[in-house]
Amino acid sequence: DAGVIQSPRHEVTEMGQEVTLRCKPISGHNSLFWYRQTMMRGLELLIYFNNNVPIDDSGMPEDRFSAKMPNASFSTLKIQPSEPRDSAVYFCASSFFGGRTLTDTQYFGPGTRLTVL
Amino acid sequence: GENVEQHPSTLSVQEGDSAVIKCTYSDSASNYFPWYKQELGKGPQLIIDIRSNVGEKKDQRIAVTLNKTAKHFSLHITETQPEDSAVYFCAASEGNNRLAFGKGNQVVVIP
Repeated sequence: DAGVIQSPRHEVTEMGQEVTLRCKPISGHNSLFWYRQTMMRGLELLIYFNNNVPIDDSGMPEDRFSAKMPNASFSTLKIQPSEPRDSAVYFCASSFFGGRTLTDTQYFGPGTRLTVL
Repeated sequence: GENVEQHPSTLSVQEGDSAVIKCTYSDSASNYFPWYKQELGKGPQLIIDIRSNVGEKKDQRIAVTLNKTAKHFSLHITETQPEDSAVYFCAASEGNNRLAFGKGNQVVVIP
């Protein structure tokens, strides 16, 4: 069974360029999470979706960041325009949320290492 | 929201010894506590988790203990091996399927 798939694995771009990160969650999962990891701030939740609907985007740092989930098997995180301080590793994770009070396990993808010059 | 803290930030152990990492959390409503292992260049991988209706869970050389009264939980690794060297993250549920993560512990196993 394939895990969470992310692409690209590495992205190097210049300041001002648009960057699009992609994620395919585990089949059957209905929750999807985008995280950013840096040495200074650790793992930060940017946004998450339940059943393709954005539930909480309070972690999105600025309007330059946007995320979409057009269907249950695909999500994108876009940064436009990119800045050097956006350099980080971006992770996508998915889980199955049954609507109960119990939280379910999140499975992480391999991440996209973004470098903005 | 939930606040999760991990101690110590770095832990060095001799191969074969045990390693213990402790996490504290703030929200008494949290009911799910996973531990993740992250190796260099990879995403966090779940290694063990525990729910609030049990106090301890074991899986071969790793175990997790939970003290709900004191609001802390710990990861125990016995008979450490070089491949156990990694960053370990604890997390606590925040409700609505969210997790709050600690800052991570670097574990170094010295051969």
